[in-house]
Amino acid sequence: EPEVTQTPSHQVTQMGQEVILRCVPISNHLYFYWYRQILGQKVEFLVSFYNNEISEKSEIFDDQFSVERPDGSNFTLKIRSTKLEDSAMYFCASSVTVLGGNTIYFGEGSWLTVV
Amino acid sequence: KNEVEQSPQNLTAQEGEFITINCSYSVGISALHWLQQHPGGGIVSLFMLSSGKKKHGRLIATINIQEKHSSLHITASHPRDSAVYICAAYFGNEKLTFGTGTRLTIIP
Repeated sequence: EPEVTQTPSHQVTQMGQEVILRCVPISNHLYFYWYRQILGQKVEFLVSFYNNEISEKSEIFDDQFSVERPDGSNFTLKIRSTKLEDSAMYFCASSVTVLGGNTIYFGEGSWLTVV
Repeated sequence: KNEVEQSPQNLTAQEGEFITINCSYSVGISALHWLQQHPGGGIVSLFMLSSGKKKHGRLIATINIQEKHSSLHITASHPRDSAVYICAAYFGNEKLTFGTGTRLTIIP
């Protein structure tokens, strides 16, 4: 069974520090996503990435956030200056296409705690 | 506004019972996922459907486009089915809009 892998599984960081969350999507997938889930709340969309550029982003995804696919296998989410409210589980996901019967695969998540 | 609502929020049942979790959405969708979230947090897609019905083992998912409603059924429930089940929909774009989830507990 193919899988999306994420690192780190858990990170604690000081407020104001930069954080990079890493993901290795499934190799033949073309669409990549970041979602987040604040404790006790719904999962929320952050950003989608296709053909080496952002294809859609939410209002949460402000200038403090950026995504990159630096080497053709990794997909990263950077938070430049973390705030307490960035504490959440961050999920990376990938899919072959958006629809067309192809499902989406999620990683196990990276739990970010900002103190 | 694109919204996904689920019910119930919590469901506790005895092993062997037939389980139904409901999902309704506000406007037309392209497709809908039923997802399972384990206690550790990982999310797995169980079904993606845009019409009709799909079955995988003891799990059945149905969708009624006209009524903007989908259901997830579990037959012969087992304690290992205990998890959070989430309905999430594509409203004509690339992002999934998630429901709040249903926490299912199956008691032996």
